[in-house]
Amino acid sequence: GENVEQHPSTLSVQEGDSAVIKCTYSDSASNYFPWYKQELGKRPQLIIDIRSNVGEKKDQRIAVTLNKTAKHFSLHITETQPEDSAVYFCAASTRGSTLGRLYFGRGTQLTVWP
Amino acid sequence: SQTIHQWPATLVQPVGSPLSLECTVEGTSNPNLYWYRQAAGRGLQLLFYSVGIGQISSEVPQNLSASRPQDRQFILSSKKLLLSDSGFYLCAWRDRDYGYTFGSGTRLTVV
Repeated sequence: GENVEQHPSTLSVQEGDSAVIKCTYSDSASNYFPWYKQELGKRPQLIIDIRSNVGEKKDQRIAVTLNKTAKHFSLHITETQPEDSAVYFCAASTRGSTLGRLYFGRGTQLTVWP
Repeated sequence: SQTIHQWPATLVQPVGSPLSLECTVEGTSNPNLYWYRQAAGRGLQLLFYSVGIGQISSEVPQNLSASRPQDRQFILSSKKLLLSDSGFYLCAWRDRDYGYTFGSGTRLTVV
Protein backbone atom coordinates (compact mmCIF):
# COMPACT_ATOMS: atom_id res chain seq x y z
CA GLY A 1 0.00 0.00 0.00
CA GLU A 2 0.86 3.66 -0.09
CA ASN A 3 3.26 5.15 2.49
CA VAL A 4 3.18 8.88 3.17
CA GLU A 5 5.89 10.54 5.21
CA GLN A 6 5.55 14.09 6.52
CA HIS A 7 8.14 16.52 7.87
CA PRO A 8 8.66 18.29 10.14
CA SER A 9 6.54 16.98 13.00
CA THR A 10 6.59 20.40 14.68
CA LEU A 11 7.16 23.83 13.21
CA SER A 12 7.29 27.19 14.96
CA VAL A 13 7.34 30.45 13.04
CA GLN A 14 6.94 34.13 13.79
CA GLU A 15 3.80 35.83 12.60
CA GLY A 16 4.30 37.08 9.06
CA ASP A 17 6.92 34.48 8.18
CA SER A 18 6.36 31.62 5.76
CA ALA A 19 5.88 27.98 6.71
CA VAL A 20 6.61 24.94 4.55
CA ILE A 21 5.55 21.36 5.25
CA LYS A 22 6.84 18.54 3.06
CA CYS A 23 5.48 15.09 2.27
CA THR A 24 6.69 12.17 0.23
CA TYR A 25 4.71 9.23 -1.10
CA SER A 26 5.66 5.81 -2.37
CA ASP A 27 2.96 4.69 -4.82
CA SER A 28 3.37 6.12 -8.31
CA ALA A 29 -0.34 5.40 -8.95
CA SER A 30 -1.36 8.06 -6.42
CA ASN A 31 -2.86 11.03 -8.21
CA TYR A 32 -4.72 13.05 -5.61
CA PHE A 33 -3.07 14.92 -2.73
CA PRO A 34 -5.21 16.81 -0.20
CA TRP A 35 -4.10 18.79 2.81
CA TYR A 36 -6.12 18.98 6.03
CA LYS A 37 -6.00 21.45 8.89
CA GLN A 38 -7.08 20.31 12.34
CA GLU A 39 -7.57 22.88 15.07
CA LEU A 40 -7.43 21.73 18.66
CA GLY A 41 -10.38 19.53 19.55
CA LYS A 42 -11.96 19.80 16.11
CA ARG A 43 -12.29 17.69 13.01
CA PRO A 44 -9.73 17.83 10.18
CA GLN A 45 -10.89 20.06 7.37
CA LEU A 46 -9.76 20.11 3.77
CA ILE A 47 -7.88 23.31 2.99
CA ILE A 48 -6.40 22.63 -0.42
CA ASP A 49 -5.79 19.72 -2.77
CA ILE A 50 -3.84 19.03 -5.93
CA ARG A 51 -4.16 16.47 -8.67
CA SER A 52 -1.29 14.83 -10.47
CA ASN A 53 -1.86 16.68 -13.72
CA VAL A 54 -1.05 19.98 -12.00
CA GLY A 55 2.31 21.09 -10.60
CA GLU A 56 1.13 23.92 -8.38
CA LYS A 57 -2.08 25.29 -6.95
CA LYS A 58 -2.61 28.43 -4.95
CA ASP A 59 -5.45 29.74 -2.81
CA GLN A 60 -4.75 33.11 -1.23
CA ARG A 61 -1.98 32.56 1.35
CA ILE A 62 -1.68 28.83 0.87
CA ALA A 63 -0.16 26.93 -2.02
CA VAL A 64 0.69 23.34 -2.75
CA THR A 65 3.38 22.08 -5.12
CA LEU A 66 3.74 18.58 -6.52
CA ASN A 67 6.78 16.87 -8.02
CA LYS A 68 5.58 13.58 -9.48
CA THR A 69 9.04 12.47 -10.53
CA ALA A 70 10.42 12.81 -7.04
CA LYS A 71 7.11 11.76 -5.45
CA HIS A 72 6.89 14.66 -3.08
CA PHE A 73 4.49 17.50 -2.45
CA SER A 74 4.60 20.50 -0.16
CA LEU A 75 2.30 22.97 1.55
CA HIS A 76 3.38 26.59 1.65
CA ILE A 77 1.74 29.15 3.92
CA THR A 78 2.80 32.75 3.45
CA GLU A 79 2.27 35.69 5.79
CA THR A 80 1.39 33.35 8.63
CA GLN A 81 -1.08 34.44 11.27
CA PRO A 82 -1.74 33.08 14.78
CA GLU A 83 -4.97 31.51 13.53
CA ASP A 84 -2.89 29.32 11.22
CA SER A 85 -1.72 27.46 14.33
CA ALA A 86 -3.02 23.89 14.02
CA VAL A 87 -2.02 20.38 13.04
CA TYR A 88 -1.67 19.90 9.29
CA PHE A 89 -1.99 16.52 7.60
CA CYS A 90 -1.00 15.63 4.07
CA ALA A 91 -2.55 12.65 2.31
CA ALA A 92 -2.34 10.69 -0.92
CA SER A 93 -4.85 8.62 -2.84
CA THR A 94 -5.93 7.37 -6.20
CA ARG A 95 -8.98 9.26 -7.43
CA GLY A 96 -11.89 7.20 -8.60
CA SER A 97 -10.75 3.97 -7.01
CA THR A 98 -13.42 1.77 -5.50
CA LEU A 99 -11.89 1.91 -2.06
CA GLY A 100 -11.04 5.58 -2.17
CA ARG A 101 -8.87 5.44 0.88
CA LEU A 102 -6.65 8.35 1.84
CA TYR A 103 -3.21 7.60 3.25
CA PHE A 104 -2.24 10.24 5.78
CA GLY A 105 1.07 11.58 6.96
CA ARG A 106 1.65 11.76 10.70
CA GLY A 107 0.89 15.44 10.91
CA THR A 108 2.77 18.69 11.57
CA GLN A 109 2.01 20.85 14.57
CA LEU A 110 2.38 24.43 13.34
CA THR A 111 2.64 27.19 15.93
CA VAL A 112 2.61 30.82 14.82
CA TRP A 113 3.90 33.22 17.47
CA PRO A 114 2.51 36.74 17.50
CA SER B 1 -25.50 19.20 -0.32
CA GLN B 2 -23.89 16.38 1.57
CA THR B 3 -23.67 16.39 5.34
CA ILE B 4 -22.32 13.93 7.85
CA HIS B 5 -23.64 13.51 11.36
CA GLN B 6 -21.78 11.85 14.19
CA TRP B 7 -22.84 11.39 17.78
CA PRO B 8 -22.40 11.62 20.66
CA ALA B 9 -19.86 14.44 20.83
CA THR B 10 -18.35 13.29 24.11
CA LEU B 11 -18.59 10.09 26.06
CA VAL B 12 -17.15 8.88 29.35
CA GLN B 13 -17.45 5.15 29.82
CA PRO B 14 -16.12 2.71 32.45
CA VAL B 15 -13.74 -0.07 31.51
CA GLY B 16 -15.64 -3.17 30.45
CA SER B 17 -18.76 -1.31 29.31
CA PRO B 18 -20.12 -1.53 25.76
CA LEU B 19 -19.81 1.18 23.12
CA SER B 20 -21.90 2.28 20.18
CA LEU B 21 -21.02 5.29 18.03
CA GLU B 22 -23.17 6.22 15.09
CA CYS B 23 -22.48 8.06 11.88
CA THR B 24 -24.96 8.97 9.16
CA VAL B 25 -24.52 10.72 5.85
CA GLU B 26 -27.11 12.76 3.97
CA GLY B 27 -27.26 13.92 0.40
CA THR B 28 -25.37 11.09 -1.23
CA SER B 29 -25.88 7.43 -2.00
CA ASN B 30 -23.54 4.47 -1.69
CA PRO B 31 -20.80 6.49 -0.01
CA ASN B 32 -17.46 5.06 1.03
CA LEU B 33 -17.40 5.36 4.82
CA TYR B 34 -14.49 5.25 7.24
CA TRP B 35 -13.85 5.17 10.98
CA TYR B 36 -10.65 6.74 12.26
CA ARG B 37 -9.24 7.06 15.75
CA GLN B 38 -6.88 9.73 16.94
CA ALA B 39 -5.06 9.34 20.24
CA ALA B 40 -4.13 12.56 22.04
CA GLY B 41 -1.54 14.47 20.03
CA ARG B 42 -1.21 11.68 17.48
CA GLY B 43 -2.06 10.96 13.87
CA LEU B 44 -5.11 9.48 12.21
CA GLN B 45 -5.41 5.72 12.49
CA LEU B 46 -7.81 4.02 10.09
CA LEU B 47 -9.93 1.46 11.95
CA PHE B 48 -12.59 0.33 9.48
CA TYR B 49 -13.86 1.17 6.04
CA SER B 50 -16.93 0.20 4.08
CA VAL B 51 -17.78 0.46 0.40
CA GLY B 52 -21.37 -0.76 0.77
CA ILE B 53 -24.07 -2.22 3.00
CA GLY B 54 -22.75 -5.13 5.03
CA GLN B 55 -19.23 -4.70 3.62
CA ILE B 56 -16.72 -3.98 6.36
CA SER B 57 -12.96 -4.14 6.19
CA SER B 58 -10.75 -3.89 9.26
CA GLU B 59 -7.35 -2.30 9.19
CA VAL B 60 -5.99 -3.37 12.55
CA PRO B 61 -6.99 -6.08 15.05
CA GLN B 62 -8.54 -4.47 18.09
CA ASN B 63 -11.32 -4.48 20.60
CA LEU B 64 -13.72 -2.80 18.20
CA SER B 65 -16.12 -3.80 15.43
CA ALA B 66 -18.09 -1.93 12.80
CA SER B 67 -21.33 -2.47 10.97
CA ARG B 68 -23.14 -0.86 8.08
CA PRO B 69 -26.81 -1.79 8.39
CA GLN B 70 -27.99 0.86 5.92
CA ASP B 71 -26.46 2.61 2.95
CA ARG B 72 -25.75 5.83 4.81
CA GLN B 73 -25.25 4.52 8.34
CA PHE B 74 -21.98 3.35 9.85
CA ILE B 75 -21.72 2.12 13.43
CA LEU B 76 -18.65 1.53 15.59
CA SER B 77 -19.08 -0.84 18.51
CA SER B 78 -17.33 -2.59 21.32
CA LYS B 79 -18.57 -5.23 23.72
CA LYS B 80 -16.07 -4.36 26.45
CA LEU B 81 -14.07 -1.15 26.43
CA LEU B 82 -10.41 -0.99 27.41
CA LEU B 83 -8.52 2.01 28.74
CA SER B 84 -6.57 2.04 25.48
CA ASP B 85 -9.78 2.65 23.54
CA SER B 86 -9.81 6.26 24.71
CA GLY B 87 -9.38 8.76 21.91
CA PHE B 88 -11.06 10.97 19.37
CA TYR B 89 -13.17 8.94 16.93
CA LEU B 90 -13.89 10.36 13.53
CA CYS B 91 -16.27 9.13 10.88
CA ALA B 92 -15.62 10.19 7.30
CA TRP B 93 -17.12 9.76 3.87
CA ARG B 94 -15.52 10.30 0.55
CA ASP B 95 -16.69 11.72 -2.72
CA ARG B 96 -14.79 9.53 -5.18
CA ASP B 97 -13.27 12.53 -6.93
CA TYR B 98 -12.30 14.45 -3.83
CA GLY B 99 -11.10 14.02 -0.30
CA TYR B 100 -12.78 13.10 2.90
CA THR B 101 -15.40 15.00 4.76
CA PHE B 102 -15.10 14.23 8.45
CA GLY B 103 -17.84 14.17 11.04
CA SER B 104 -17.47 16.36 14.10
CA GLY B 105 -15.98 13.51 16.10
CA THR B 106 -16.64 11.74 19.39
CA ARG B 107 -14.22 12.20 22.25
CA LEU B 108 -14.25 8.95 24.20
CA THR B 109 -12.71 8.68 27.63
CA VAL B 110 -12.58 5.24 29.19
CA VAL B 111 -12.20 5.40 32.97
